[in-house]
Amino acid sequence: ETGVTQSPTHLIKTRGQQVTLRCSSQSGHNTVSWYQQALGQGPQFIFQYYREEENGRGNFPPRFSGLQFPNYSSELNVNALELDDSALYLCASSSTSGSRDTQYFGPGTRLTVL
Amino acid sequence: KNEVEQSPQNLTAQEGEFITINCSYSVGISALHWLQQHPGGGIVSLFMLSSGKKKHGRLIATINIQEKHSSLHITASHPRDSAVYICAVSLRNTDKLIFGTGTRLQVFP
Repeated sequence: ETGVTQSPTHLIKTRGQQVTLRCSSQSGHNTVSWYQQALGQGPQFIFQYYREEENGRGNFPPRFSGLQFPNYSSELNVNALELDDSALYLCASSSTSGSRDTQYFGPGTRLTVL
Repeated sequence: KNEVEQSPQNLTAQEGEFITINCSYSVGISALHWLQQHPGGGIVSLFMLSSGKKKHGRLIATINIQEKHSSLHITASHPRDSAVYICAVSLRNTDKLIFGTGTRLQVFP
């Protein structure tokens, strides 16, 4: 148990819809990162939030957006869903910004876009 | 070419065997992570290291910064070690994490 939770566990959406995924970090962890993991691939960095501000972004279009709240929870929003957005979405929290600290991963949300 | 390469991609072993998984990277890093991912998706951080060697139970991780190479060793492997092992590096300038594609390990009784 890492103390990081994600909801929902599974989600099915259709192309063009919007989705919100949620992550609850460990208490005291002010950094959360979101990753997309396609089947058979390693995770890809989407973005990181530190103290409620975006603190780095990977090669993902603006329709991927996020929010971080003072209560150590965060959201990943994806607009105009595409079939290729089908993946496992992972969040990871840590106590310092960047990634030079142990990352505590949630169990992931598996998104299927039909 | 990926910035983080792992080998082998797949590995099968008999219980009790000594296992080595390798990771090579081509970028400047501030740290390297070894992660374990079980079926269903959950990822657990095993090690984070920037030099030398770390040991936790039957797991040992080493890194050679000059050669840009790290190894994860499992001694006396057990079927419960079956999982995907992922190497990830923290980029020095951006602190972004770059992941390898993982090594799928199956240990048979």
